[in-house]
Amino acid sequence: TQLLEQSPQFLSIQEGENLTVYCNSSSVFSSLQWYRQEPGEGPVLLVTVVTGGEVKKLKRLTFQFGDARKDSSLHITAAQTGDTGLYLCAGADRDDKIIFGKGTRLHILP
Amino acid sequence: GAGVSQSPRYKVAKRGQDVALRCDPISGHVSLFWYQQALGQGPEFLTYFQNEAQLDKSGLPSDRFFAERPEGSVSTLKIQRTQQEDSAVYLCASSQRYYGYTFGSGTRLTVV
Repeated sequence: TQLLEQSPQFLSIQEGENLTVYCNSSSVFSSLQWYRQEPGEGPVLLVTVVTGGEVKKLKRLTFQFGDARKDSSLHITAAQTGDTGLYLCAGADRDDKIIFGKGTRLHILP
Repeated sequence: GAGVSQSPRYKVAKRGQDVALRCDPISGHVSLFWYQQALGQGPEFLTYFQNEAQLDKSGLPSDRFFAERPEGSVSTLKIQRTQQEDSAVYLCASSQRYYGYTFGSGTRLTVV
């Protein structure tokens, strides 16, 4: 059974600080996706990483896929209160089925 | 449509009642997925369709859960004889393969 472990589960930091969220597995994935979910809504795709070692940047967010395609990280620079939310990593197998981690609930304090 | 549409948004069912949840995916998306999300948790996989074929139903928690997609577009998730542990948000997503999923807003089911 494939499992994705996300850490930390909860993170509360001051506006302006940097943070990193980790997503780890013992399984190899075809791709890894990061989603953000607001209360009462479905997850919204932020990025898909496909190649081992790949780094993608989305404004202040930097996503990295591990060389072995088993892990990923999300780094946020100079966090803002608008970054508050639930961040989910999800690994896709060859059939495009994805499994989710339990999520990291991020709270940015003003 | 522009996004994935789910209905109803909220459903309150009495224990033992049957419910049907509808998902209207993005037009042309081949893959359709159902997930169950408990409060404070990540979504858990239920079942997966490619066109009308149900390729994986390993996540359905019991034989009270049934999903179909008869014409390869709209899908329905049916739960028979609902129980309190079925209370959750049910999310539907569609995909154009390998480009990530687009999720609907979900149906919040509360069994009382």
